[in-house]
Amino acid sequence: QVRLQQSGPGLVRPSETLSLTCTVSGGSTSNYYWNWIRQPPGKGLEWIGYVNFNGNTNFNPSFKTRLAMSTDTSRSQFSLRLTSVTPADTAVYFCARAHWGTGHFDSWGQGTLVTVSS
Amino acid sequence: DIVMTQSPDSLAVSLGERATINCKSSQSLLFSSSNKNYLAWYQHKPRQPPKLLIYWASIRESGVPDRFSGSGSGTDFTLTISSLQAEDVAVYYCQQYYYTPWTFGQGTYVDI
Repeated sequence: QVRLQQSGPGLVRPSETLSLTCTVSGGSTSNYYWNWIRQPPGKGLEWIGYVNFNGNTNFNPSFKTRLAMSTDTSRSQFSLRLTSVTPADTAVYFCARAHWGTGHFDSWGQGTLVTVSS
Repeated sequence: DIVMTQSPDSLAVSLGERATINCKSSQSLLFSSSNKNYLAWYQHKPRQPPKLLIYWASIRESGVPDRFSGSGSGTDFTLTISSLQAEDVAVYYCQQYYYTPWTFGQGTYVDI
């Protein structure tokens, strides 16, 4: 049974960079898209983008200029970096897995509340 | 972007009764060469990650009770809970994965 474990700070200052990492255990990292999804307080779910362990990415255009994603194969980790954050980026951030060739998310991390505030 | 619109925004159903949630997409999610609809349904409870219920519009994820079913094709889809249980109180989301950016409906809150 695959497990996704998120890590990263829960508080980020405005204009700084939000960084989160998701560690995959109990399953392969190949042939999947590794995604980030967020939910602002009181709002719905928003797909941010994905990376695969070949280094290919696909980003939501809403974030494209501020977004980077990377992988560390040796640690079975993938990461999100969102620059120049504002209070509007306050949200619960989830990592999630989708099978290659699909886009439905069958395994999720536990979620991390990231608050952007000074 | 493909816009997903769910109805209603919320509903209350008696225990053991049927709950029906609708989801409409701004363009067809049916990929003709595979005859598959690129639509999924999720259940989301507070302080938990969302849980995949249905994918390809009608395929139940392993371990999901058979009271949950998905139907529809093209632009109109339905999630049905045939006999509502107390543990089904949650927000339900549809999601399209036909085109990126993958997008979700606004959510439907189901209560007893």
